[in-house]
This record gives sequence, C-alpha cells and structure tokens, in this order.
Amino acid sequence: GDSVTQMEGPVTLSEEAFLTINCTYTATGYPSLFWYVQYPGEGLQLLLKATKADDKGSNKGFEATYRKETTSFHLEKGSVQVSDSAVYFCALRSKTSYDKVIFGPGTSLSVIP
Amino acid sequence: EAGVTQFPSHSVIEKGQTVTLRCDPISGHDNLYWYRRVMGKEIKFLLHFVKESKQDESGMPNNRFLAERTGGTYSTLKVQPAELEDSGVYFCASSQTTDQPQHFGDGTRLSIL
Repeated sequence: GDSVTQMEGPVTLSEEAFLTINCTYTATGYPSLFWYVQYPGEGLQLLLKATKADDKGSNKGFEATYRKETTSFHLEKGSVQVSDSAVYFCALRSKTSYDKVIFGPGTSLSVIP
Repeated sequence: EAGVTQFPSHSVIEKGQTVTLRCDPISGHDNLYWYRRVMGKEIKFLLHFVKESKQDESGMPNNRFLAERTGGTYSTLKVQPAELEDSGVYFCASSQTTDQPQHFGDGTRLSIL
C-alpha cells in the first residue's frame, strides 16, 4: 500500500542553519505530495504542496521538489529561525487513496538561538 | 472564513467511560475526515464523510468508535467504552472536494486513565 517515510529526529539546529528533512514515498501512479507543520499548541497547517513531477512547492522560505525518479519530496530551508520550531509531517494523497491523506511519522525540529 | 473547529481541546476520562468529540468543518465543505495520532506515531486516517454519508470508514479501529454527521454539517466521534490505547490526538479535517487540500483543526487531545 501507499506509505511515507521520513527522518524522525528530533532535529536540533542553531538559528540561521540550513535545514533538510528527508522524505520518500511509495505509491502507485502520481500522488500529490504535501508538507504539513504543527507548531506547539496548534493544529496541523498545510505548509506546501506539489501535484506533479518536478513541481516545486514553496512557502515561508521552505521548499520541496517532487522527484518522481527518486520518489522523494525533501523539505529544505536555507536559514531557519527559532519560530520554525515545530513538528513537520510529509504526506501524500494518491488515486488509490483519493480520500485520505497518508502521513509520515513526523520530524520534530528545535531551533536554538 | 472560520477554520475547522474541534471541541473539546482536551479530554481526560477514565477507562470504561464514554467520550464524544465534535468537529465543525469549514462552511460549505462537503468532505469531512477524522484522523488520529496515538503514542506519537503516524497520523492515521479513520474515516471520511461526504455530506452525511460515510464514504470510507476503513480506518476505524473497532466497533467502540462511532462517527456521525447528521444533516451533513458538524460531526461527532464517540468512543464507548474508552480503553487506554485510545489515548492520543484526534484531528478533524475538511475539504470542498476530494481533490483540494484538507484543512485541519487543532485536534482534541484525549487522555484515558
């Protein structure tokens, strides 16, 4: 079945460091890919998305590129801030699971001043 | 536009008791989804309503869980009787169509003692 794998962390970075959170997926066809973020005490928010191969999603300085050949959707940010501390979830929605979002386990990020 | 609203934000009950969670989707969203995250693991799909009909309830763990969406507006998820392993965060999401991104609520943190 469809699945998502991501580095679980926790990840601790200093402010202004470069961030990469790896995400790979298994799915039939061409799924839509998402990154969701959960800030402390808040709900899940859609951070960015990509719906076809080579699409780049971007938001708030974060980027992720849909790589069909490596079945990956790695999240990157050039310079993290303390306010980026949160749990990040990679997710997909495919034709075979059209009504449900399938999530990875989440990566906890802490950014220290 | 108001987002997805969930109530209560936190519920603490004893094993064997009954708890009912409520979700108010974004107005006009026909699709309503329930998910849960237990023990800090993946967020997993429970079920999907289209208006008042259950489209997919393949993720419901057992018959102690009952979801309803009378009138196609808000939804309730009842756990009866609650067991220790039901502890976790229960998320609700809604979307206008199944192709559009799902908008999540803040979740209900359920603690079973």
